[in-house]
Amino acid sequence: DSGVTQTPKHLITATGQRVTLRCSPRSGDLSVYWYQQSLDQGLQFLIQYYNGEERAKGNILERFSAQQFPDLHSELNLSSLELGDSALYFCASSVGPFGNQYFGPGTRLLVL
Amino acid sequence: DAKTTQPPSMDCAEGRAANLPCNHSTISGNEYVYWYRQIHSQGPQYIIHGLKNNETNEMASLIITEDRKSSTLILPHATLRDTAVYYCIVIKDGSEKLVFGKGTKLTVNP
Repeated sequence: DSGVTQTPKHLITATGQRVTLRCSPRSGDLSVYWYQQSLDQGLQFLIQYYNGEERAKGNILERFSAQQFPDLHSELNLSSLELGDSALYFCASSVGPFGNQYFGPGTRLLVL
Repeated sequence: DAKTTQPPSMDCAEGRAANLPCNHSTISGNEYVYWYRQIHSQGPQYIIHGLKNNETNEMASLIITEDRKSSTLILPHATLRDTAVYYCIVIKDGSEKLVFGKGTKLTVNP
């Protein structure tokens, strides 16, 4: 158990819908990262927040957005969902703005 | 970040050492070598990292060649629970983004 929690574990929704994935980092960690893992693209970095501020952006679509709240939990919002958004979404956290990242168990999203 | 090359798959007998190679011939002086593993769709797990010197922790040892162009992750006594995809990642000091390649699928056989 890494100490990072993610909810929900599974999510099934329809195309065009919007969903919110939630992540709670390890106690004391200030950074939260989001990654997407699909069968054809592998594990891809989406975005990072450090102490409430966006710090780095990767291959995140404009339909996706994230934020980190004052209590340091983070939410990833996915809107106008497409079939290709079906994937595992992982959250990770680290103490500082970079360094060892500890991953949560993931949210499996299925868009039908 | 430097690109890495790993064999797509390897097998190891339970109880034996598993030696996983990684080539990173374009690595720069300020880039670290990190290893993560992912056990069947679970979240990736940090294993070890190093810059120049060999490193050891409770999970594994990391051997980095003197020219730093390659490294080997050693699991000294592999168990069935070590069956996973192992990712070698080169990352600049201060960089936040992990770039995962395809990794090596290690299968530990009884």
